[in-house]
Amino acid sequence: ETGVTQTPRHLVMGMTNKKSLKCEQHLGHNAMYWYKQSAKKPLELMFVYSLEERVENNSVPSRFSPECPNSSHLFLHLHTLQPEDSALYLCASSQDLTASGEKLFFGSGTQLSVL
Amino acid sequence: QKEVEQNSGPLSVPEGAIASLNCTYSDRGSQSFFWYRQYSGKSPELIMSIYSNGDKEDGRFTAQLNKASQYVSLLIRDSQPSDSATYLCAVKSTGGFKTIFGAGTRLFVKA
Repeated sequence: ETGVTQTPRHLVMGMTNKKSLKCEQHLGHNAMYWYKQSAKKPLELMFVYSLEERVENNSVPSRFSPECPNSSHLFLHLHTLQPEDSALYLCASSQDLTASGEKLFFGSGTQLSVL
Repeated sequence: QKEVEQNSGPLSVPEGAIASLNCTYSDRGSQSFFWYRQYSGKSPELIMSIYSNGDKEDGRFTAQLNKASQYVSLLIRDSQPSDSATYLCAVKSTGGFKTIFGAGTRLFVKA
């Protein structure tokens, strides 16, 4: 596979469930990101990892827990979510974290519905 | 608060016309500017990047940057129905690692 792949594509969960989103990039990039996209709102940056180290936690509730075991894989663990957390969750990668002009490559996203 | 602002639209243009999409940003330290296209139900994909004042052309797309006015635009010439999508403006500061996105402009190209 090429690019950035995310699984699952769709997820429905109850407020008491625990689930995980998975992202894998095949581009040899050093940085990976989680973004949240809600209807008619700008993409919200949630977490940034560079070479497996978290460099940004953008005031995200603790019910979202990221994990980056290596530079190619990124997870987002979900527990006790709220209905307002329903959104499209996008994983992205870039070649480098700080170089200007870095372009983001997005996965296909996970459409999450919290009931 | 660093922001990127776009008219949400929808912007409707006839097939073959020029579509003009605009974006303003608040952070004067922004150095890199991007346009992403997002089809309904899909993820964003980069279509243009621009770093210097002036115009940059790539096929039917032209990005325009005016740092003094903190203004970025995207022109789509000979618009096609397949161009119908949401266009996201994004900016990034030198040395920073956050790419800040606007909420996007929905474009409809009528056949």
